[in-house]
Amino acid sequence: DTGVSQDPRHKITKRGQNVTFRCDPISEHNRLYWYRQTLGQGPEFLTYFQNEAQLEKSRLLSDRFSAERPKGSFSTLEIQRTEQGDSAMYLCASTKSEKLFFGSGTQLSVL
Amino acid sequence: AQKVTQAQTEISVVEKEDVTLDCVYETRDTTYYLFWYKQPPSGELVFLIRRNSFDEQNEISGRYSWNFQKSTSSFNFTITASQVVDSAVYFCALSEAPGNIRDDKIIFGKGTRLHILP
Repeated sequence: DTGVSQDPRHKITKRGQNVTFRCDPISEHNRLYWYRQTLGQGPEFLTYFQNEAQLEKSRLLSDRFSAERPKGSFSTLEIQRTEQGDSAMYLCASTKSEKLFFGSGTQLSVL
Repeated sequence: AQKVTQAQTEISVVEKEDVTLDCVYETRDTTYYLFWYKQPPSGELVFLIRRNSFDEQNEISGRYSWNFQKSTSSFNFTITASQVVDSAVYFCALSEAPGNIRDDKIIFGKGTRLHILP
């Protein structure tokens, strides 16, 4: 069990640029979640996958956000035309039951 | 709609004191799971416990205990004989319709920041 890996750990970008984050879940975990956490808040649900199928997207996920899990293993979260309000920690979690295993997150700073 | 409320934003206690973190939830479902997660300063969320809505037995794990009361929609977490290493942000969370993959997402409260003072 190598844990959930997220890459990069930190990302600084200028407003208007596109960014992409990667999440490698624990192998054999069929469900993968993306959450966003801002300072002083709990994780907010963004979207989740059952294998390669994206089953639900939060209304927080605007058209600038897209997530994929093409082969049911790793997942990517892309933010296009970043805005300062996108600055947050982006957390990935995986599970095969209801116990979520979280990665260390990608801290995004939009300047 | 499901909702989790952690009214205590920040608590400070002196080491060895007992401390209780409150959690109140709202859900339309009769079947759901409740969780507690710990987020230490390193940032990674750590699973502590999961409780099925049909199991109202309280649980104890070492210095940790959980009190689930459906009548008041509460799932409180108590740390006895607190230690400095318990300092972290603690999140209560709720999942409705477990097993129904179309609705199977976990919603978190805003967290309680716990400071254990030496």
